Amino acid sequence: GAVVSQHPSWVICKSGTSVKIECRSLDFQATTMFWYRQFPKQSLMLMATSNEGSKATYEQGVEKDKFLINHASLTLSTLTVTSAHPEDSSFYICSAREGVGQGYGYTFGSGTRLTVV
Amino acid sequence: AQSVAQPEDQVNVAEGNPLTVKCTYSVSGNPYLFWYVQYPNRGLQFLLKYITGDNLVKGSYGFEAEFNKSQTSFHLKKPSALVSDSALYFCAPLIKAAGNKLTFGGGTRVLVKP
Repeated sequence: GAVVSQHPSWVICKSGTSVKIECRSLDFQATTMFWYRQFPKQSLMLMATSNEGSKATYEQGVEKDKFLINHASLTLSTLTVTSAHPEDSSFYICSAREGVGQGYGYTFGSGTRLTVV
Repeated sequence: AQSVAQPEDQVNVAEGNPLTVKCTYSVSGNPYLFWYVQYPNRGLQFLLKYITGDNLVKGSYGFEAEFNKSQTSFHLKKPSALVSDSALYFCAPLIKAAGNKLTFGGGTRVLVKP
């Protein structure tokens, strides 16, 4: 089946630094990938839709300058948390669709636990 | 507004007993509905989906779900729960009007006790 690889699994960074998270589709091409944020014991909040070769579409309330998304190839999307602060600490998850039809499901990465100290 | 609701934050069940995780939705048109499971500090794993056809959908790990259009529900069920089923479960309709994005319910934590 389709596999999405997300790295790193966890990262600790100092306040003010930037952190890059990678999301790769291993055995399929993904023109669209999605980035979610999950707070403890809460649901997933869609942050942005990453489109290969074009600008990402951000959900309302998500700072695009804070959360930079790059989707330079059909198998790789990156999320960079710039000038991270403790309130950015969260669990970030990416996903990708296996196909363009509406019946296709979404495959999720294993998530990245970001802790900003 | 299109939405999804999981009315129970947590479900406790004894191992071997039937497990039900409830989901109701408010989506225009014919909905595509998904169930995912999340284990601690992990991403989401696909369980099953309803697209069309038979209202009873069978999925992974012995789970099934019944699409009920009149009640706008898509409850997840397992006849005999295992301790290893303890996890966080998410119901997610596909919102076509929003560019085919998954919209997640609040999640239901399932605790299966031995």
